[in-house]
Amino acid sequence: GQSLEQPSEVTAVEGAIVQINCTYQTSGFYGLSWYQQHDGGAPTFLSYNALDGLEETGRFSSFLSRSDSYGYLLLQELQMKDSASYFCAVRGGDYGQNFVFGPGTRLSVLP
Amino acid sequence: EAQVTQNPRYLITVTGKKLTVTCSQNMNHEYMSWYRQDPGLGLRQIYYSMNVEVTDKGDVPEGYKVSRKEKRNFPLILESPSPNQTSLYFCASSFWGTSGSYEQYFGPGTRLTVT
Repeated sequence: GQSLEQPSEVTAVEGAIVQINCTYQTSGFYGLSWYQQHDGGAPTFLSYNALDGLEETGRFSSFLSRSDSYGYLLLQELQMKDSASYFCAVRGGDYGQNFVFGPGTRLSVLP
Repeated sequence: EAQVTQNPRYLITVTGKKLTVTCSQNMNHEYMSWYRQDPGLGLRQIYYSMNVEVTDKGDVPEGYKVSRKEKRNFPLILESPSPNQTSLYFCASSFWGTSGSYEQYFGPGTRLTVT
């Protein structure tokens, strides 16, 4: 079967750096995505890694190691508005249109 | 404004009464998906579509139907809803971003309660 694991909760203070890990087991792999979801809102896209290495987008970076079936999302200079749930998702299947999401990590940013 | 719209946003219905949740996107995306979100389980893909008249099952398709007669619309049909289909539903369209990333754009969600 296909499964993703990520920590259920993470707490950090404003200005800190936090890393959210994601490990996956899937039958096919095209890429690993990260999404942010605030309470009551829709998921919004943060990043996508198809190849090994680090992708940086402003305060957020995402890393992928395909050989380890592992990735992480790095959030720097945390702000209160970063308090949300973060989901990793594997893009797979026969045509790259099957998406399997992790259970989500709830990030709480404290003042 | 680029968007994915869903209707209704909230729905309370009874077991067995057929319902349709509509989804429409104005971005000319070929790929669209339906997800359900339940506490502690993340989002689970129900069905996806790669183009008009091309649909396929996701991980949890039982009890759902979809159709894709037009590129912009991708309705989700529950022929005989049951209480275990009470959930938050999201429609999404997918596209390749300018930096080579593959992105999904989600609608606002439909909260469905089946009693």
